[in-house]
Amino acid sequence: DIQMTQSPSSLSASVGDRVTITCRASQSISSYLNWYQQKPGKAPKLLIYATSSLQSGVPSRFSGSGSGTDFTLIISSLQPEDFATYYCQQSYSTPGTFGQGTKLEIK
Amino acid sequence: QITLKESGPTLVKPTQTLTLTCTFSGFSLTTNGVGVGWIRQPPGKALEWLALIYWNDDKRYSPSLKNRITITKDTSKNRVVLTMTNMDPVDTATYFCAHRQPTYDLDYWGQGTLVTVSS
Repeated sequence: DIQMTQSPSSLSASVGDRVTITCRASQSISSYLNWYQQKPGKAPKLLIYATSSLQSGVPSRFSGSGSGTDFTLIISSLQPEDFATYYCQQSYSTPGTFGQGTKLEIK
Repeated sequence: QITLKESGPTLVKPTQTLTLTCTFSGFSLTTNGVGVGWIRQPPGKALEWLALIYWNDDKRYSPSLKNRITITKDTSKNRVVLTMTNMDPVDTATYFCAHRQPTYDLDYWGQGTLVTVSS
């Protein structure tokens, strides 16, 4: 299996902050990297697919970059509704492993 | 509009077999590139990918659970079924099904169903 490692595991930030979450794969996954947002008691929501493609309806303050083994999710200006847990997932091969999650909390 | 919904027992006993059904609408599981996957999440923990079935009936499983799970589809009824044998308390989790689009990501998810394994 390809292992996905996110950092940090948790993060405190304020509304308006720029936030960066990183995801590292244990081997090259080309650009097959997706990001999901999950709020308590809810299903994950797809934010970004194929490293940098914004899912329809997702605000442009979310962006993604990277290739190979290192990837980044950036939220350019945090909004109150962005406080949630974020997961990366590789879809290069099955099983489509997820990272352990990054919990974004209000400072 | 794509929707998915999981259904099945909320409580199973250890050693029993779990059968979960994902009923979907808004897409066809005969469309090239489309799939339906199962993902679970133990309380307070991360997401775990379990299985995926493709439009062409190709099936993929998590190696760690391969001996215990089976995924099947019924395209005429727009359903995908996940079966997991020999359930254990560590299998207590919310189980999600999701639509896999041809760009390889999971773009629509069901609401999830919490399954508790306890005697």
